Amino acid sequence: GDSVTQTEGPVTLSEGTSLTVNCSYETKQYPTLFWYVQYPGEGPQLLFKVPKANEKGSNRGFEATYNKEATSFHLQKASVQESDSAVYYCALTPNSNNRIFFGDGTQLVVKP
Amino acid sequence: NTKITQSPRYLILGRANKSLECEQHLGHNAMYWYKQSAEKPPELMFLYNLKQLIRNETVPSRFIPECPDSSKLLLHISAVDPEDSAVYFCASSQSGTTNTGQLYFGEGSKLTVL
Repeated sequence: GDSVTQTEGPVTLSEGTSLTVNCSYETKQYPTLFWYVQYPGEGPQLLFKVPKANEKGSNRGFEATYNKEATSFHLQKASVQESDSAVYYCALTPNSNNRIFFGDGTQLVVKP
Repeated sequence: NTKITQSPRYLILGRANKSLECEQHLGHNAMYWYKQSAEKPPELMFLYNLKQLIRNETVPSRFIPECPDSSKLLLHISAVDPEDSAVYFCASSQSGTTNTGQLYFGEGSKLTVL
């Protein structure tokens, strides 16, 4: 079946340090991969998506590369800010399918 | 986010019946209900794709969705149970062969069952 596994949280960092949240996926199809972010009291919102293997997505200083060989999509940021504190979800949708499969989420806490 | 509106935003219930409402102003043709329990990812309850219902079979029968038109979505809940306490998100997306599945979420309706 289709599934996503990501770094278990919470991840606690100091401002200015680097972030890596690991994400691995399983599917027999050709998925689009996503990172969503959820701030307290809000619904998840798209951070970025990558529909094709070996391409990189980025937004607000976050980036991830769709690695088909390793079935990974790790989220990275060089220097986190306190405002980045949120829950980050790695997700996939099989090709031409309306179903989205979310990982369990990784809570990021950034301390000033 | 005013593109997907949900009401009510908060509700506290005993064993009562209630309906949640959602309206999207994005022109999308797929709409969803998700349930998010504390510290859990959103869990798909129902999906309407071009008005065809796809149901998560684990959802209790006391939850009944309704899609009166392509921009509106309702969730009728009868005889709520304490395990139903959660935030219910409405979401939408544009379906089709070029769809890449990006979801747009509303702000959620927080249900507390006494």
